[in-house]
Amino acid sequence: GESVGLHLPTLSVQEGDNSIINCAYSNSASDYFIWYKQESGKGPQFIIDIRSNMDKRQGQRVTVLLNKTVKHLSLQIAATQPGDSAVYFCAEKGPSGGYNKLIFGAGTRLAVHP
Amino acid sequence: GAGVSQSPRYKVAKRGQDVALRCDPISGHVSLFWYQQALGQGPEFLTYFQNEAQLDKSGLPSDRFFAERPEGSVSTLKIQRTQQEDSAVYLCASSLVGGAGGETQYFGPGTRLLVL
Repeated sequence: GESVGLHLPTLSVQEGDNSIINCAYSNSASDYFIWYKQESGKGPQFIIDIRSNMDKRQGQRVTVLLNKTVKHLSLQIAATQPGDSAVYFCAEKGPSGGYNKLIFGAGTRLAVHP
Repeated sequence: GAGVSQSPRYKVAKRGQDVALRCDPISGHVSLFWYQQALGQGPEFLTYFQNEAQLDKSGLPSDRFFAERPEGSVSTLKIQRTQQEDSAVYLCASSLVGGAGGETQYFGPGTRLLVL
């Protein structure tokens, strides 16, 4: 199938380890931050989101941390599995885009090794 | 349940040809979005519809790009006189409602366009 993220930074982890994927966002006025997972040949898949009035949100095996002071977002994946291998994108939206336009970051490829 | 579907999945066009890409959003979703994703990059916003109204087309790269959603459901992205720089994956997304708030956008599989 087609390849996503041929030239993206890669994070390599062992199966069972925890993964941390980082993202710097640009607009201090953004209100919502979202993490998407994109597997080769597929569209982005929603993982978790967080609002700007929060600094941490947990889902199933995933945690998103937001540091508004330094405009930094991170996605933590616990007990990483081979099925987690994909390209991960952070996205932001806010008043500048009418809360409709998603602005995506550059993406990070996660490679999980058995 | 059925997600967002797009057709065709792959399209090869000769430079100068017109192409039409179709998006079927999730049933009942009011908002529909088109994004363009170049190889190795994140998706970039093209345009947004709320029902049949095109409320934002600020991301369309040129007047060769045109999108419509005449009945507020299926949408078509048309590219006239295709150029090699139009080669990309075109993603469609839909959400239940639009406007302020944290409504999740659900993406389709995309149409991979290659212009020769």
